[in-house]
Amino acid sequence: AQSVTQLDSQVPVFEEAPVELRCNYSSSVSVYLFWYVQYPNQGLQLLLKYLSGSTLVKGINGFEAEFNKSQTSFHLRKPSVHISDTAEYFCAVSDLGYKLSFGAGTTVTVRA
Amino acid sequence: DVKVTQSSRYLVKRTGEKVFLECVQDMDHENMFWYRQDPGLGLRLIYFSYDVKMKEKGDIPEGYSVSREKKERFSLILESASTNQTSMYLCASSAGQGGLDEQYFGPGTRLTVT
Repeated sequence: AQSVTQLDSQVPVFEEAPVELRCNYSSSVSVYLFWYVQYPNQGLQLLLKYLSGSTLVKGINGFEAEFNKSQTSFHLRKPSVHISDTAEYFCAVSDLGYKLSFGAGTTVTVRA
Repeated sequence: DVKVTQSSRYLVKRTGEKVFLECVQDMDHENMFWYRQDPGLGLRLIYFSYDVKMKEKGDIPEGYSVSREKKERFSLILESASTNQTSMYLCASSAGQGGLDEQYFGPGTRLTVT
């Protein structure tokens, strides 16, 4: 089974500052990688995904992530955050099956 | 837009009751999933279904069962609710086969078992 580690449980950040959320996974086989976001009182929605090709993936709302196979990482970044980016962020990994394995989540709180 | 709806946002049940959580998707997706979400643990897969009447156990199926009689509807059943099943339950659906496709999530049902 896949294992996903999100290295930070809470990330406070000021508005317009950059943010990086770290994600590592354990696998020696091909994987698909995802970042989902959960806004308060809502379900999850997809931010971006890596299936193959370029290791730099761009998603919605100005987020991007970089796949690093040698370090088994898939860190999420945004150069300038807004108050509306306050949410919980989940990294997830899938092998060739149907199942997604999720990390424990990182809560991002953006302050003015 | 894909829409996944769950029958209740909040539910309070007593220990030992039989509980039904309903999920409906409107995009003709083959795959449907039930997760529970707990603080510090992220989302854990309970059961999933890749076709009508087909089901597969996820990582934490104990104490739960599921039913999928129609393609658009996937039900989670707690045969005898216990306090350790107090949690947020999320339903999701996806198209296609395998782990490539985006999962679309419902808003969740917060279940409290007293």
